[in-house]
Amino acid sequence: QSVLTQPPSVSAAPGQKVTISCSGSTSNIGNNYVSWYQHLPGTAPKLLIYDNDKRPSGIPDRFSGSKSGTSATLDITGLQTADEADYYCGTWDTSLSGVVFGGGTKLTVL
Amino acid sequence: EVQLVESGGGLVKPGGSLRLSCAASGFTFSSYSMNWVRQAPGKGLEWVSSISSSSSYIYYADSVKGRFTISRDNAKNSLYLQMNSLRAEDTAVYYCARGQQQLVTWGQGTLVTVSS
Repeated sequence: QSVLTQPPSVSAAPGQKVTISCSGSTSNIGNNYVSWYQHLPGTAPKLLIYDNDKRPSGIPDRFSGSKSGTSATLDITGLQTADEADYYCGTWDTSLSGVVFGGGTKLTVL
Repeated sequence: EVQLVESGGGLVKPGGSLRLSCAASGFTFSSYSMNWVRQAPGKGLEWVSSISSSSSYIYYADSVKGRFTISRDNAKNSLYLQMNSLRAEDTAVYYCARGQQQLVTWGQGTLVTVSS
């Protein structure tokens, strides 16, 4: 059971928009920055969003993040088949003194 | 180019030990906190341990506390994870990752299999 809660899967058609939610508590999301990671099997996970809503260089603006209270969301617009991957939210948990991740959301582009 | 390369994975019997290494290049290693994160087969990402740039602050997940030890050698640009008393549930791909709380760069991972 993960500390952060994500939907196990989401799906949408190419060109459409999808939203992935991440729910936590005051000890993690509520008082710390949220990051989002993309992971394709057999590869290194990739940072997509940091500090709740910032994109590293090279990440297209189709990916955007936001945070409100103890929840965060990742939006992906203009879906492409290459976006099919597992997506994880992550943050620091002050009570646990450690990084916590969501259980991951598998994105299928139909 | 920032690069992290893990090594040291393999097959080990329950109760055995293994030492993972992570070689860093392309950035000033001594300025950054580092982490180990693992992914068991069919499961999600699980943070294992973090170490600050000067090794002053070290944190462990409860699942490995007392069995795993994280360390670093800034002169050698290397991160380590000493894993003792290994269990079947420690079977996973282990990734090293750069960052403090937010993991900016990840390696490709090394597979650890604990089985008799």
